[in-house]
Amino acid sequence: GAVVSQHPSRVICKSGTSVKIECRSLDFQATTMFWYRQFPKQSLMLMATSNEGSKATYEQGVEKDKFLINHASLTLSTLTVTSAHPEDSSFYICSARTGDREQYFGPGTRLTVT
Amino acid sequence: GQNIDQPTEMTATEGAIVQINCTYQTSGFNGLFWYQQHAGEAPTFLSYNVLDGLEEKGRFSSFLSRSKGYSYLLLKELQMKDSASYLCAALDSNYQLIWGAGTKLIIKP
Repeated sequence: GAVVSQHPSRVICKSGTSVKIECRSLDFQATTMFWYRQFPKQSLMLMATSNEGSKATYEQGVEKDKFLINHASLTLSTLTVTSAHPEDSSFYICSARTGDREQYFGPGTRLTVT
Repeated sequence: GQNIDQPTEMTATEGAIVQINCTYQTSGFNGLFWYQQHAGEAPTFLSYNVLDGLEEKGRFSSFLSRSKGYSYLLLKELQMKDSASYLCAALDSNYQLIWGAGTKLIIKP
């Protein structure tokens, strides 16, 4: 089956620093990758959609200058949380899609900002 | 607007059967997904329906009625490990997933 990896799985950083999260599709080429955020006991919230080689499309209310997304290749997308604050602490999940249908999820990254 | 409704929480007994309902309103429709998510983990795929009817896959079955904008996930012979959140998501005309808030299923011995 299709496998998506994320790195790191957990990260703790200090307020004001930046954190980069990588999302890779290991055995398929992902035409589209999605970045989600999930706060405790809440559902997934789509942050942005990115297609390889083009700028990401951000959902309303998501600051594009704070959450930088780079979809450099068909197998790699990165999310950089810049100038992180404690309220950015969350579970960040990426998913990848080839074609029009199913999304394959990465295992998620737990970000804690102190 | 686009909307997915599913119950917030359900409780069932080990060994029993539970049905989790989902209603959807989307701009266009290209299928309905069910995902399982254990606490602290990413969602995992359970089922995909695009045609009306029941799809059975082991202990889990999923049903779709396109005319009613309705789906359900049926879990049989419940096990303690089935305690999780179950997310309903509809694929709209742009092939974007519209997510429900999830149903937390609590299994009691």
